[in-house]
Amino acid sequence: EPEVTQTPSHQVTQMGQEVILRCVPISNHLYFYWYRQILGQKVEFLVSFYNNEISEKSEIFDDQFSVERPDGSNFTLKIRSTKLEDSAMYFCASSGGQGWGNEQFFGPGTRLTVL
Amino acid sequence: AQSVTQLGSHVSVSEGALVLLRCNYSSSVPPYLFWYVQYPNQGLQLLLKYTSAATLVKGINGFEAEFKKSETSFHLTKPSAHMSDAAEYFCAVRGPGNTGKLIFGQGTTLQVKP
Repeated sequence: EPEVTQTPSHQVTQMGQEVILRCVPISNHLYFYWYRQILGQKVEFLVSFYNNEISEKSEIFDDQFSVERPDGSNFTLKIRSTKLEDSAMYFCASSGGQGWGNEQFFGPGTRLTVL
Repeated sequence: AQSVTQLGSHVSVSEGALVLLRCNYSSSVPPYLFWYVQYPNQGLQLLLKYTSAATLVKGINGFEAEFKKSETSFHLTKPSAHMSDAAEYFCAVRGPGNTGKLIFGQGTTLQVKP
């Protein structure tokens, strides 16, 4: 069964360092998303991506964040200069369409710890 | 604006007992609602979804949910809990706009006691 994969499963970094979280969406999907969950809080939308450009971003997704689909398979989230408050679980998701009932398939997440 | 509220961050039931996880939504338009489950060290998996076709929605693993517009609720139920149901459950509503983003509730951790 096709699945979304994410690497690494856990990333520890120092404050101010750049991190890149990687995702491989399901191969025939066209819509891609990043969400995050700070420990003890709800899962929050960060950004959606379609046709090689951002289609929507939340207020969390400031200039420190960027997304890229560098090739036909990977979808990355970069945080340029990490802050302590970026520590969270980051989930990648993909969908075959943006229709109202289209299911998003989620990866297992990357736990980012900023020290 | 769309939002969901899950009542109870932790629910504990005995094996074989009824599972009831509560979700209330707020939406200015007819909502599209989802329940996801997360097992330890895994991603979010769709249990079921409501897209206005039928108010009683059946999902995987014996779960179902009923959309009640008058109560703005979409509670998740299962008649008989199994140990393997222990997980975290998230209610979500499709957000405004055309990007398909999901707006999640806080999540409910289900504990199943033997």
